[in-house]
Amino acid sequence: DVKVTQSSRYLVKRTGEKVFLECVQDMDHENMFWYRQDPGLGLRLIYFSYDVKMKEKGDIPEGYSVSREKKERFSLILESASTNQTSMYLCAIYRGGHSQPQHFGDGTRLSIL
Amino acid sequence: GQNIDQPTEMTATEGAIVQINCTYQTSGFNGLFWYQQHAGEAPTFLSYNVLDGLEEKGRFSSFLSRSKGYSYLLLKELQMKDSASYLCAVKDTDKLIFGTGTRLQVFP
Repeated sequence: DVKVTQSSRYLVKRTGEKVFLECVQDMDHENMFWYRQDPGLGLRLIYFSYDVKMKEKGDIPEGYSVSREKKERFSLILESASTNQTSMYLCAIYRGGHSQPQHFGDGTRLSIL
Repeated sequence: GQNIDQPTEMTATEGAIVQINCTYQTSGFNGLFWYQQHAGEAPTFLSYNVLDGLEEKGRFSSFLSRSKGYSYLLLKELQMKDSASYLCAVKDTDKLIFGTGTRLQVFP
């Protein structure tokens, strides 16, 4: 079974705080992704990583950064949280290969007050 | 630009058949995925199409027409547990572009 673990299911932070969301996988997959999911907007890609220490911007990277120091761990960082970053955040992993799906973690519902 | 359209909501009756449509216009195409997402849970993989035609997997089937930029997910013998959101996603290189999802409610 594919295991993608996100550190928190629910998180409440204040405006201006630096927020870390962690994602850990046990599948040795190279590719990891961070999405946010909002009603009416679907899943939108924030950042992804093809390998350790590599990162690529997705469609909505503004206000976020990422860190991938080890293959199994991909962190999403909100440098200075704002209320418009209140959302569900989903981490996904992907082995590579055309027919291979991305596998998702359970998500972190983040509220910024 | 990238555009994926699917209906926002659908309702159906237990035991019935429902078809969820997805149309897409994307700059690249390396296949189309369907995911199921129950409320408050992670999306889970249902099906993958890269060639035209129908792929069948038990009660679920998925169809693709690349020339029309069109796919559908067919759910047969609906059960209450099929109430969920269904996400259509086009693969462009190694990235997925998602539609906004179709929320399906199954009534007894």
